[in-house]
Amino acid sequence: EVQVVESGGTLVQPGRSLRLSCTTSGFTFGDYVMTWVRQAPGKGLEWVGFVREKGTTEYAASVRGRFTISRDDSKSIAYLQMNSLKIEDTGVYYCARAPPWELPDWWGQGTMVTVSS
Amino acid sequence: DVVMTQSPLSLPVTLGQPASISCRSSQSLVYSDGNTYLSWFQQRPGHSPRRLIYRVSNRDSGVPDRFSGSGSGSDFTLKISRVEAEDVGVYYCMEGTHSWTFGQGTRVEIK
Repeated sequence: EVQVVESGGTLVQPGRSLRLSCTTSGFTFGDYVMTWVRQAPGKGLEWVGFVREKGTTEYAASVRGRFTISRDDSKSIAYLQMNSLKIEDTGVYYCARAPPWELPDWWGQGTMVTVSS
Repeated sequence: DVVMTQSPLSLPVTLGQPASISCRSSQSLVYSDGNTYLSWFQQRPGHSPRRLIYRVSNRDSGVPDRFSGSGSGSDFTLKISRVEAEDVGVYYCMEGTHSWTFGQGTRVEIK
């Protein structure tokens, strides 16, 4: 059974850093793009970025230069490193897998990040 | 940047009646390989998103056949032939041709 589980969300002060993890099982991790999508409280979905199977990355303009997505294929885990956090980064962060050349087909349950002083 | 515009943003529907959601992109979503990377997602209250449709009109495994997607170029539609109570939630279109962008979402509720 496919499983995607996010962890690491917490309360953090503005300007600080936080790393989220996305632990997966039940599929061949190395064959998939791994992506992060966030949702501010009461708002819609916002794509954050993704890491391709070979490790190259793309990011939304709102996080480019502050956030870094990486992957460890040996552990089937994807990461979202968030630096210089802003209040507007508050929200639920979802990890999802995407088949090559397709949009995300399996999502985790999300982890909450609150940026506040 | 591509802008995805959904309408309506709120859709009250009577049980058993059809529903239709429009999604328009500011640029064509036809990729150089000939495919159109447009998907529809459902987010039920308190749940994670779930993909319903990929590449405009392909239904995901386990998705009821009352859901259908259509369209081409920059104009797309999600239809629910007969709305059921479990269909309540927010529906998003998303493009993957350019730089992965969601529409604003359409809230489907029962009248």
